[in-house]
Amino acid sequence: QKEVEQDPGPLSVPEGAIVSLNCTYSNSAFQYFMWYRQYSRKGPELLMYTYSSGNKEDGRFTAQVDKSSKYISLFIRDSQPSDSATYLCAMRKGSNYQLIWGAGTKLIIKP
Amino acid sequence: DVKVTQSSRYLVKRTGEKVFLECVQDMDHENMFWYRQDPGLGLRLIYFSYDVKMKEKGDIPEGYSVSREKKERFSLILESASTNQTSMYLCASSTLQGTGTEAFFGQGTRLTVV
Repeated sequence: QKEVEQDPGPLSVPEGAIVSLNCTYSNSAFQYFMWYRQYSRKGPELLMYTYSSGNKEDGRFTAQVDKSSKYISLFIRDSQPSDSATYLCAMRKGSNYQLIWGAGTKLIIKP
Repeated sequence: DVKVTQSSRYLVKRTGEKVFLECVQDMDHENMFWYRQDPGLGLRLIYFSYDVKMKEKGDIPEGYSVSREKKERFSLILESASTNQTSMYLCASSTLQGTGTEAFFGQGTRLTVV
């Protein structure tokens, strides 16, 4: 079993919809939770990170961590065609700088 | 603007060739990583380095080696390229400062082995 599970999609939604992207994990030692966005033919870029549990909001994006369920989510409000990309979750333990990655979910926003 | 630069965007090599992928970062980062990315498998760590001349095996080091002679440069070497090494290769760097959450990636090298 992988340490981090993420549905690869693709997930296709109409413009303006609320998007929910999710990852589950098995290692309770993870403390930092990140979402990266990767456009086609580019390297991933950090979108948001959360330390431990709770929510974090940045514009149209909200990251949520539920450590009791070992589940993290990224919500995108008022989705735009420019949000079409692959979204990767990543995690790390407090004492280790190595990131553990999900497989990435391909998101398509239809105009 | 911070930057991680990979030497090639696209490479085509023959089976059995020795292949060098170069990566340079200008952020004075301590950590550097080599990943390969395949559809449905996400990012898989090949090797990483946390200091000059230091290296650690990742999840899939077989068939690869690395070199870090200078802090800013991290090279990935395919000793004898095989078709199953056809993939997207991504270099990244990060710092030990702060939360250490952000890894900066290069644009990737798409390697095809024929």
